Amino acid sequence: DQQVKQNSPSLSVQEGRISILNCDYTNSMFDYFLWYKKYPAEGPTFLISISSIKDKNEDGRFTVFLNKSAKHLSLHIVPSQPGDSAVYFCAASVTGTASKLTFGTGTRLQVTL
Amino acid sequence: DSGVTQTPKHLITATGQRVTLRCSPRSGDLSVYWYQQSLDQGLQFLIHYYNGEERAKGNILERFSAQQFPDLHSELNLSSLELGDSALYFCASSMRGDLRAKNIQYFGAGTRLSVL
Repeated sequence: DQQVKQNSPSLSVQEGRISILNCDYTNSMFDYFLWYKKYPAEGPTFLISISSIKDKNEDGRFTVFLNKSAKHLSLHIVPSQPGDSAVYFCAASVTGTASKLTFGTGTRLQVTL
Repeated sequence: DSGVTQTPKHLITATGQRVTLRCSPRSGDLSVYWYQQSLDQGLQFLIHYYNGEERAKGNILERFSAQQFPDLHSELNLSSLELGDSALYFCASSMRGDLRAKNIQYFGAGTRLSVL
């Protein structure tokens, strides 16, 4: 039972353009969402998060949007840079459990010159 | 550098054997989490320890066990290893792990386990 889904295994974007990575979830109890970036041979690195009481959170070039009614979130990277090439994981948790993160399977982003 | 240290980086062993993976959390973090990532899969939660006590279990096999020591480092023990246990094993830590904290977890670089 995949509660967090990233339906695009890969995405290629030109440098300078916008990258949009999508994530869908099924568990309506999730109220905190995170994006992680992972380079080969490294662990996931926290990027940005959003609480379910918000619909948008920005941090520099990264913006996360949350649509609770659609159970959908997206990560926008503007402008995309070659160093952004990595695997991006969406994760979700339930506040009050202080416990596990439920991860999607990841989207591999390649930013081309 | 996340501040979370995992050793060893790579481990090659045979079926039926037992291995121990080690994790040192970030300084000050009380919670340690273990995740398994099999090929092309997302990270699957295994177990969570907070200040030495087990807090939650995921789909962790009975052949697997973990503990968190008084100095807060954690070990994940995998026994009677099977080919299907080959995976990346990640440890993560977070500051509080209590019921009120938003759960940002910081990950180590992982241990790649190969069972031959």
